[in-house]
Amino acid sequence: DTGVSQDPRHKITKRGQNVTFRCDPISEHNRLYWYRQTLGQGPEFLTYFQNEAQLEKSRLLSDRFSAERPKGSFSTLEIQRTEQGDSAMYLCASSLATGPEGETQYFGPGTRLLVL
Amino acid sequence: AQKVTQAQTEISVVEKEDVTLDCVYETRDTTYYLFWYKQPPSGELVFLIRRNSFDEQNEISGRYSWNFQKSTSSFNFTITASQVVDSAVYFCALPPGSSNTGKLIFGQGTTLQVKP
Repeated sequence: DTGVSQDPRHKITKRGQNVTFRCDPISEHNRLYWYRQTLGQGPEFLTYFQNEAQLEKSRLLSDRFSAERPKGSFSTLEIQRTEQGDSAMYLCASSLATGPEGETQYFGPGTRLLVL
Repeated sequence: AQKVTQAQTEISVVEKEDVTLDCVYETRDTTYYLFWYKQPPSGELVFLIRRNSFDEQNEISGRYSWNFQKSTSSFNFTITASQVVDSAVYFCALPPGSSNTGKLIFGQGTTLQVKP
């Protein structure tokens, strides 16, 4: 059973550069989530997709951030003109939402971003 | 608004001791779900349990047990006979509302260190 995978696992970039992260969810899962986690804090929601539709974006997601999930499979999160404050762990999770019952999100290993 | 409080920032125990991690939540919903995740040093969030608010029975899974007290809005997690491999950050989480079990609201996390 393949879990959620993320690529790259680590990224070091210089301020002002663009970066893109990829997330591959569990294959039958229809929802995909992005979270950001800074040191000593719990993950904070950024955005999520149901199939290919982006249904919610957090206010944390500035105009420099964009996420896509073409064809409802893998997703990419791009950060343009990175700032030092973007340094964090970016976590992806997926779930199978089939109705009013609660869903369980399964997380990937994360991408750790350091902006110099 | 939903809120999760994990008042214990760090706990240190010696192997084989029992340890309880506290989680207090706030919600206006009558139906909700609560989660616990484990984050080992590798960074990946590992799902431990999902509990429906209708089910107030305690849950036991091996050395892990959970005590759900609706009257005090608490969902505490106990590890019996702790082991070094239990060392991790543990997060309690709550979805934002019963009608949309999308994003998770996480507590600050409790860092558990189990010493040999």
